[in-house]
Amino acid sequence: GAVVSQHPSRVICKSGTSVKIECRSLDFQATTMFWYRQFPKKSLMLMATSNEGSKATYEQGVEKDKFLINHASLTLSTLTVTSAHPEDSSFYICSARDFDRGFAETQYFGPGTRLLVL
Amino acid sequence: GENVEQHPSTLSVQEGDSAVIKCTYSDSASNYFPWYKQELGKRPQLIIDIRSNVGEKKDQRIAVTLNKTAKHFSLHITETQPEDSAVYFCAARYSGGGADGLTFGKGTHLIIQP
Repeated sequence: GAVVSQHPSRVICKSGTSVKIECRSLDFQATTMFWYRQFPKKSLMLMATSNEGSKATYEQGVEKDKFLINHASLTLSTLTVTSAHPEDSSFYICSARDFDRGFAETQYFGPGTRLLVL
Repeated sequence: GENVEQHPSTLSVQEGDSAVIKCTYSDSASNYFPWYKQELGKRPQLIIDIRSNVGEKKDQRIAVTLNKTAKHFSLHITETQPEDSAVYFCAARYSGGGADGLTFGKGTHLIIQP
């Protein structure tokens, strides 16, 4: 239970293009989802908190116009990397909270999306 | 914001021995502390979590202890097995200003020597 999926799992794009990553909660409704970024052999860094039906809350230093987040339904949040540059290459992971399972604070992670910008 | 320190960065133990990973946090308002296990290229998997109103929690070979006064918490793995080899992350949950995410430690690469 508490399955979170992401699509695509891997994407290669040219510099200047935009890339959309989807995060879905498959067997539960998630009013809150989170987007993290992870560099190789590094820790996860929270980028933003995504709440269904409202604007996302971005962490300090994360450009909201560059990383567009839309949480349009209780099972889907999307992250769009706009005008991607090579320095945006990273592993992007989403997570979702399932209030009906375990602790209300527990986050379940998606499998991640590896983005490579050429 | 919250700041989480994790030690050691690498830990090598003999199979069957115990492993202990320690974390400290800075924000006394943090109230939830999960531990995740991440294998190379995979998603972080929750292995155990604890709330601030509890001092210890155990699940088979895994236990977590929390000292709120000192603001530190530890992961204990007993009778380690080769499949325990992975990177382990501690985290602390904070909330405020609309944000409600987890702050992660830098991770501990646990190596189980056969």
